[in-house]
Amino acid sequence: LAKTTQPISMDSYEGQEVNITCSHNNIATNDYITWYQQFPSQGPRFIIQGYKTKVTNEVASLFIPADRKSSTLSLPRVSLSDTAVYYCLVGDMDSNYQLIWGAGTKLIIKP
Amino acid sequence: EADIYQTPRYLVIGTGKKITLECSQTMGHDKMYWYQQDPGMELHLIHYSYGVNSTEKGDLSSESTVSRIRTEHFPLTLESARPSHTSQYLCASSDSGAAASTDTQYFGPGTRLTVL
Repeated sequence: LAKTTQPISMDSYEGQEVNITCSHNNIATNDYITWYQQFPSQGPRFIIQGYKTKVTNEVASLFIPADRKSSTLSLPRVSLSDTAVYYCLVGDMDSNYQLIWGAGTKLIIKP
Repeated sequence: EADIYQTPRYLVIGTGKKITLECSQTMGHDKMYWYQQDPGMELHLIHYSYGVNSTEKGDLSSESTVSRIRTEHFPLTLESARPSHTSQYLCASSDSGAAASTDTQYFGPGTRLTVL
């Protein structure tokens, strides 16, 4: 019943922009798209959430095309401390939903 | 920053013991969750609650039980621990009372349980 598909892992270098794309072909009308970050031995932490077009906050941007079947998390100018697992989730916030967490994308930033 | 606490952070215990993992939040959130996560693997929802006196089982079958007598407290109990219960247990909460689009989950630091 996986609702999202992400790359298993990605590598990049300090100072680069990193884009992680998530596919959610079966996204429903009421579903929002949320991204979390998880460091080893810690609980996930909310990064950003959106419904359509573009959302930006102090740490990331989220790009959502018109058909909403995918989304891209963009991390500008990454540093070593951005090495973590990134999860993309979709869910209907108005109903008694259960979020399904996939394996996420393991991002490794190199010096 | 979210205020959600879990104790203990680490627990090593023998088979057959009864254990309770504590989770408390000071944000007044209605929804609370328990997840189980093995190293390098995805999170699996094992229990959740929509509010006081509400508890539901998640998508992963678990031999644990939960209770929600107070809004801020959501303990998880294993009546008889087994080595197969060795894992990390993460507690989370979210606010269902705010605008529905912002049902962000806030996680505690987790409890790493080892059953010998």
